[in-house]
Amino acid sequence: AQSVSQHNHHVILSEAASLELGCNYSYGGTVNLFWYVQYPGQHLQLLLKYFSGDPLVKGIKGFEAEFIKSKFSFNLRKPSVQWSDTAEYFCAVRTNFGNEKLTFGTGTRLTIIP
Amino acid sequence: GAGVSQSPSNKVTEKGKDVELRCDPISGHTALYWYRQSLGQGLEFLIYFQGNSAPDKSGLPSDRFSAERTGGSVSTLTIQRTQQEDSAVYLCASSLGVGTQYFGPGTRLTVL
Repeated sequence: AQSVSQHNHHVILSEAASLELGCNYSYGGTVNLFWYVQYPGQHLQLLLKYFSGDPLVKGIKGFEAEFIKSKFSFNLRKPSVQWSDTAEYFCAVRTNFGNEKLTFGTGTRLTIIP
Repeated sequence: GAGVSQSPSNKVTEKGKDVELRCDPISGHTALYWYRQSLGQGLEFLIYFQGNSAPDKSGLPSDRFSAERTGGSVSTLTIQRTQQEDSAVYLCASSLGVGTQYFGPGTRLTVL
């Protein structure tokens, strides 16, 4: 069965620092990849997604992610974080296209210090 | 509605009682999903509906868990004889066919 690993459980950064959150998945076939964000007290929202085409995808709020097939990775990046980026970030993969269910990582809690 | 809604937002119950959790998907979305988020865990898939049928129930943790969807819209997740390990946030999501899943706010279930 497929799995998703997010090795950073809690990341603490100062405002304006650059961010990279790791996401690796285990599945050899075609995948769709997602990053979701959960701000404090809010529900999960889609940040960005990769289905096909350009492996560098851009999402909302200045976030981007790069799909590297050879590394089974889909890392999330932002060049300069803001205090409002404090949230929990979840990477997810969809592999079974007859099912559409998402397999999630355990999440990375991001704390931005003003 | 504008988004996925779930009720109740919070539910506290005693061990051994049955609970029902409700999900109203985005209007017109054909697919509906239930996930569970336990403390310190990622989201765990429970069940998937396409229309009113559930082609994948593989994530339901035991036969105490069941779900149904009626009219291609509202879904109910039922947990019978609740146990303390059932305490979690239960999330519902919906999508239009093969598309992005939109999540509701969740129901926080606490089993005492």
